[in-house]
Amino acid sequence: GAGVSQSPRYKVTKRGQDVTLRCDPISSHATLYWYQQALGQGPEFLTYFNYEAQPDKSGLPSDRFSAERPEGSISTLTIQRTEQRDSAMYRCASSLARTDTQYFGPGTRLTVL
Amino acid sequence: KNQVEQSPQSLIILEGKNCTLQCNYTVSPFSNLRWYKQDTGRGPVSLTIMTFSENTKSNGRYTATLDADTKQSSLHITASQLSDSASYICVVSSTTSGTYKYIFGTGTRLKVLA
Repeated sequence: GAGVSQSPRYKVTKRGQDVTLRCDPISSHATLYWYQQALGQGPEFLTYFNYEAQPDKSGLPSDRFSAERPEGSISTLTIQRTEQRDSAMYRCASSLARTDTQYFGPGTRLTVL
Repeated sequence: KNQVEQSPQSLIILEGKNCTLQCNYTVSPFSNLRWYKQDTGRGPVSLTIMTFSENTKSNGRYTATLDADTKQSSLHITASQLSDSASYICVVSSTTSGTYKYIFGTGTRLKVLA
């Protein structure tokens, strides 16, 4: 594709509900990253994939957070039993390889009421 | 603890002036350092990537420097334009056993006035 896309762009949910966010990376990119960005802050690394492998998920804040990239392309980030503190912008980025430029998607703004 | 600190937190300059943003890091082991520009409400856009052996890299009016000994980087913006108003984020990546971590600074908010 022309760039990284994410859906939905906005998500409002009630506390305790599960949410799944989707990322479509640039088609030729092997590496995909997930970040959480609080208002006025820089992105915080959550996890990344190299094709379908997930070498590092140490940034996931709790076991309520999980991510998948089963076929090495599209990825989903799932937050179970959402809490108000999960409210943030969730950004996805992709790059050709781990050391290359990361291209960011527009983000999903999650609001947990 | 791996940290990336940026200064100043915010900066206001007049159009046409130059400015320099600073980034100090304690990340180890060091893999590379990136500077991003993030417009309000948008995702970060990469400006430069530098590895350990690179001291300077330019992208148009943006010039980044890296001193791996002192663990400092700077981003110099020449002849600023109104469109340079944005947050500038320094990101240091670290690799251990083949896995990568990306540590973001909190950014410097630059405002360029006419």
